[in-house]
Amino acid sequence: AQKVTQAQTEISVVEKEDVTLDCVYETRDTTYYLFWYKQPPSGELVFLIRRNSFDEQNEISGRYSWNFQKSTSSFNFTITASQVVDSAVYFCALSERRSGGGADGLTFGKGTHLIIQP
Amino acid sequence: DTAVSQTPKYLVTQMGNDKSIKCEQNLGHDTMYWYKQDSKKFLKIMFSYNNKELIINETVPNRFSPKSPDKAHLNLHINSLELGDSAVYFCASSPGPSYNEQFFGPGTRLTVL
Repeated sequence: AQKVTQAQTEISVVEKEDVTLDCVYETRDTTYYLFWYKQPPSGELVFLIRRNSFDEQNEISGRYSWNFQKSTSSFNFTITASQVVDSAVYFCALSERRSGGGADGLTFGKGTHLIIQP
Repeated sequence: DTAVSQTPKYLVTQMGNDKSIKCEQNLGHDTMYWYKQDSKKFLKIMFSYNNKELIINETVPNRFSPKSPDKAHLNLHINSLELGDSAVYFCASSPGPSYNEQFFGPGTRLTVL
């Protein structure tokens, strides 16, 4: 069965600090997909990134970067020079490709509540 | 021109009542989902429909019944509401197979008194 672990329940840092959110996953499939979503205080779920299991390249998007390492089954998320607007709950999620095709739901981690203090 | 919309945004009701939450997407996606987020923020898949066909039905009580009249709509009907059904329910859609990102609606906060 697939599983996503976000061991950090809550992280609090001061603005402009760098912060890394950890995500460790478990799956028996060789083909799977990893995601990060942001849930700000307003409650909506905002898609941040998707990564498939065959692409281990790290990705950078502005102040955000992601480190995917299959050897440790981790897909960590780093925010550089954090800002107050980054305060949110961040979810890591995993999806496996269903045999015969078709859609699969996301298995979410429990989320990390990130607090950026001014 | 909201991509995935849900109505209502808030729903307060008494135990034992029957209620429905509607979801519509205008993205032309084939696949739609319902997720439940509990009070601890834990998100869990409930159902998935692909081209109006039920694909995923997790261990959800049969008081919950999804209905998809067409590809753009996936409604959630809940019978005999219980206190434990209080949660935020999110609808989502994706273009198709699992490797596509899912676009979430704004959520419906259900409170059962």
